[in-house]
Amino acid sequence: QSALTQPASVSGSPGQSITISCTGTSSDVGGYDYVSWYQQHPGKAPKLMIYEVSNRPSGVPDRFSGSKSGNTASLTISGLQAEDEADYYCSSYTDSSTRVFGGGTKLTVL
Amino acid sequence: EVQLVESGGDLVQPGGSLRLSCAASGFTFSSYAMHWVRQAPGKGLEYVSGIGSDGGSTYYANSVKGRFTISRDNSKKTLYLQMGSLKPEDMAVYYCARLLWWPTGLDIWGQGTMVTVSS
Repeated sequence: QSALTQPASVSGSPGQSITISCTGTSSDVGGYDYVSWYQQHPGKAPKLMIYEVSNRPSGVPDRFSGSKSGNTASLTISGLQAEDEADYYCSSYTDSSTRVFGGGTKLTVL
Repeated sequence: EVQLVESGGDLVQPGGSLRLSCAASGFTFSSYAMHWVRQAPGKGLEYVSGIGSDGGSTYYANSVKGRFTISRDNSKKTLYLQMGSLKPEDMAVYYCARLLWWPTGLDIWGQGTMVTVSS
């Protein structure tokens, strides 16, 4: 149950696009289309942004999109806005029927 | 309003025990699997445990297996986490969360309850 690998930080200017990667193994990310992404602002609970690799819950802007190739999933945020500045975590279902999270990525909007 | 409210966090000595509760409202609690996720101070999210909608299936991270027990009372719309043999590394904010559907994302989260393990 090793944590999924995410970059520690990414940054972008308002209006730009950024992509956060999430690398696992064939026992989690690569083996299932059950990758989800969470946004967490300081002192707040996480918020589901993407589920099942690329689906958005109602209320999440379509600026947020997800994809997967092999053992790596990605979250892309287009048209960056100041309020997107937060920590982002990926998560995947695993072979042991549990879930594993990534280490988190701090997004800075310049 | 769909809501989860955790309680029970406290200061406990290493080796001690604690029970966390998560009260649900605004949705049919008995229809959803539920999970616990924790976050140590300044660290990332860590999966702790999960339970099926009827309580018949339970899942644990290796780091807590044998020490923590997840359970639920659907009549009381409450999720529990019994924590034993607590270690300093168990110190964290513990969140309960609702599973959208099996085995996809966690769509509703509580505000968290802090567990401090220290002598």
